[in-house]
Amino acid sequence: EPEVTQTPSHQVTQMGQEVILRCVPISNHLYFYWYRQILGQKVEFLVSFYNNEISEKSEIFDDQFSVERPDGSNFTLKIRSTKLEDSAMYFCASSRQATNEKLFFGSGTQLSVL
Amino acid sequence: QQQVKQSPQSLIVQKGGISIINCAYENTAFDYFPWYQQFPGKGPALLIAIRPDVSEKKEGRFTISFNKSAKQFSLHIMDSQPGDSATYFCAARPNSGNTPLVFGKGTRLSVIA
Repeated sequence: EPEVTQTPSHQVTQMGQEVILRCVPISNHLYFYWYRQILGQKVEFLVSFYNNEISEKSEIFDDQFSVERPDGSNFTLKIRSTKLEDSAMYFCASSRQATNEKLFFGSGTQLSVL
Repeated sequence: QQQVKQSPQSLIVQKGGISIINCAYENTAFDYFPWYQQFPGKGPALLIAIRPDVSEKKEGRFTISFNKSAKQFSLHIMDSQPGDSATYFCAARPNSGNTPLVFGKGTRLSVIA
């Protein structure tokens, strides 16, 4: 069964450093998402991406965040200058439909900012 | 209010018992209500979903009950098994189109033999 792949599974970084989280969505999917989950909290939407541009973004997704689809397979989330409060599990998701139904999530990247 | 309130936070059920997880919402414009199942080390996976035009949807041992007037929906797991032990998230979509899902905080279910 096709799946969304995320790398790395764990990332430790120093506060103020840049990190790039990588995702390979399911190949015939057109809509891509990043969500995050702070330990013990709900899953929160960050951004959705379609046709090489951002469709929606949340208040969390400020100027420190950016997304990119640099080639036909990868989808990346960059945090320019990490803060302690960015520590969370980051999930990439993809879907074939524009309706936010049937999202397929990756296993996540656990980001720890020290 | 773009919130979904989920309870309980954790649940322990005997094998063979019924697990019940509840969610409540305030925004009447929500039109799609999925449940996601997450095993440790994995991302959430869509388990079952319902739309507000029906009051119940059943898939195998999993049933969603939906009460539109009360703005509540619940997941029932019949004949719960140790393999069902996972975290369950309810979610809701504010309206049709490319509008992000709003998730509950999750319920950690443990099914003990």
